Amino acid sequence: ETGVTQTPRHLVMGMTNKKSLKCEQHLGHNAMYWYKQSAKKPLELMFVYSLEERVENNSVPSRFSPECPNSSHLFLHLHTLQPEDSALYLCASSQEYRYNEKLFFGSGTQLSVL
Amino acid sequence: AQSVAQPEDQVNVAEGNPLTVKCTYSVSGNPYLFWYVQYPNRGLQFLLKYITGDNLVKGSYGFEAEFNKSQTSFHLKKPSALVSDSALYFCAVRDNTGNQFYFGTGTSLTVIP
Repeated sequence: ETGVTQTPRHLVMGMTNKKSLKCEQHLGHNAMYWYKQSAKKPLELMFVYSLEERVENNSVPSRFSPECPNSSHLFLHLHTLQPEDSALYLCASSQEYRYNEKLFFGSGTQLSVL
Repeated sequence: AQSVAQPEDQVNVAEGNPLTVKCTYSVSGNPYLFWYVQYPNRGLQFLLKYITGDNLVKGSYGFEAEFNKSQTSFHLKKPSALVSDSALYFCAVRDNTGNQFYFGTGTSLTVIP
């Protein structure tokens, strides 16, 4: 285990549903990330939090809403998603945000939007 | 702009044979290069990194990678493949501001018994 736990592992939702993905890291890291992984595409960085402040927001649609209540927890709130949002959503953490040399990833949430 | 290219979607190799997974990069300034592996139903795991120093970097599970500045490449290698090496491999470069990782599209490695 990498010390980064994501729940749920799988999620199926309709386009009108509201759901949340949860990530928890037990490593004492200061930075946390949300990535989107789609087949045959590079990992897409969605959001970055450093010391609970959002530092990156890479043009992600507003139907994705992140929340970082403390340095150990990260949420991704989902609402009115589209079928093309179906993907594996990975949470990661690192010791620091700047000049970090290693990302630690969770196992991901496989999301299917019907 | 920073980017990484993994030209092969799929690499097949027989067990016991040497394996190579290719990666080329484009980056401003000095490159910081990484390899990650993803086993089925798991997140990405760090394998190795090149920051500076010796061009041949050794990492986990017997893997190594060779940094070639003139060819802007960072190919992943292993002298003798195991069936358990079958996984998805990602090359990544960190930009020169030190903040963001740029990942390739991944290469699926299958080691055939």
